[in-house]
Amino acid sequence: GAGVSQSPRYKVAKRGQDVALRCDPISGHVSLFWYQQALGQGPEFLTYFQNEAQLDKSGLPSDRFFAERPEGSVSTLKIQRTQQEDSAVYLCASSLAGPEEKLFFGSGTQLSVL
Amino acid sequence: DQQVKQNSPSLSVQEGRISILNCDYTNSMFDYFLWYKKYPAEGPTFLISISSIKDKNEDGRFTVFLNKSAKHLSLHIVPSQPGDSAVYFCAASPQTGANNLFFGTGTRLTVIP
Repeated sequence: GAGVSQSPRYKVAKRGQDVALRCDPISGHVSLFWYQQALGQGPEFLTYFQNEAQLDKSGLPSDRFFAERPEGSVSTLKIQRTQQEDSAVYLCASSLAGPEEKLFFGSGTQLSVL
Repeated sequence: DQQVKQNSPSLSVQEGRISILNCDYTNSMFDYFLWYKKYPAEGPTFLISISSIKDKNEDGRFTVFLNKSAKHLSLHIVPSQPGDSAVYFCAASPQTGANNLFFGTGTRLTVIP
């Protein structure tokens, strides 16, 4: 596609529910990043893939967060047993090659945990 | 611990005037700096970047200045246009091999027609 696509655009979850957020990067982009943006804050790094390999997951806040990119294209960020503090916009970004390349961001998924 | 700081949450400027957005950082290992622009309900879009080997980079109406000794960078927009109204994020990356960007909290720029 023309840009990074994320779905759903909005997600409301009850506390304790599992959610899955999808990211379709720009075709051919090797690198894929997930960021979390809390209200009034800048994006914060969660995890990074190069093709299907998850090279850095140091930003994942807890073991309830899990990301995968099994075929090196589409990625899914899964949050288990959601908590209210997980409420944020989750941004996906991709780049053509390595992490030094310019990042192209999707519009994000706004997650609200009630 | 915020390593990249944007101390002005908002800025209003008259159309045609200069907009100056400021950013400070604390990590001396940061080597590469970027500005992203974000409209409501959209993801951030890349605007301009600068490497630590330079002190200035210009692209049309946008110029970024880097002062490494002060750990400070600024984005100048001249002349400002109403379409520039958006949230601007400063971001920094450590030296090569870094996987992620560290973002500031953003400055909301409003250009008044």
